[in-house]
Amino acid sequence: EVQLVESGGGLVQPGGSLRLSCAASGFTFSSYSMNWVRQAPGKGLEWVSYISSSSSTIYYADSVKGRFTISRDNAKNSLYLQMNSLRDEDTAVYYCAREPLIDWGQGTLVTVSS
Amino acid sequence: QSVLTQPPSVSAAPGQKVTISCSGSSSNIGNNYVSWYQQLPGTAPKLLIYDNNKRPSGIPDRFSGSKSGTSATLGITGLQTGDEADYYCGTWDSSLRWVFGGGTKLTVL
Repeated sequence: EVQLVESGGGLVQPGGSLRLSCAASGFTFSSYSMNWVRQAPGKGLEWVSYISSSSSTIYYADSVKGRFTISRDNAKNSLYLQMNSLRDEDTAVYYCAREPLIDWGQGTLVTVSS
Repeated sequence: QSVLTQPPSVSAAPGQKVTISCSGSSSNIGNNYVSWYQQLPGTAPKLLIYDNNKRPSGIPDRFSGSKSGTSATLGITGLQTGDEADYYCGTWDSSLRWVFGGGTKLTVL
């Protein structure tokens, strides 16, 4: 059974940083590209970032480009999202998802507020 | 403003059929596979349909998908109260990003 478990969310002040993690199991992590998708409270889904299986290809949404960094450690079956210069509008539940968005984690809540 | 356009809400009685539309363009739906997701209240999105019309194992055949040109449609037959949820369409876009519809809230009256 595929499992994706996010962690690292919490309350952070505007301008602060946070690092999200996603622990993967139940499939060969190193063979799959991965994504981060977020959902602001009461809003729809917004794709955040994509990373290929070997980390050779990375894409970002314009809304996070230059502030967020996606990475992965295939030896640890883990996906990461380093979030810097956080803004109020980054408040959301962040999901990791296996490409092509076929499996999703339960999400971790990031709240940016003073 | 979402890249893909869905109706905000649809409703139907138990046992009836409902369809949810998803409209895009040649840069997304027109040249890529469409997926559909079900999000029950307070839970993560769950894949219902992939590659326009394929169902993952465990998804009942009451759920179906189709695509024509730059539009896609999700169909649900034999509606149950447990189907009340938000439904999203999604696809890859030529601008190198995943794009979604704004979501459709299904009410089973």
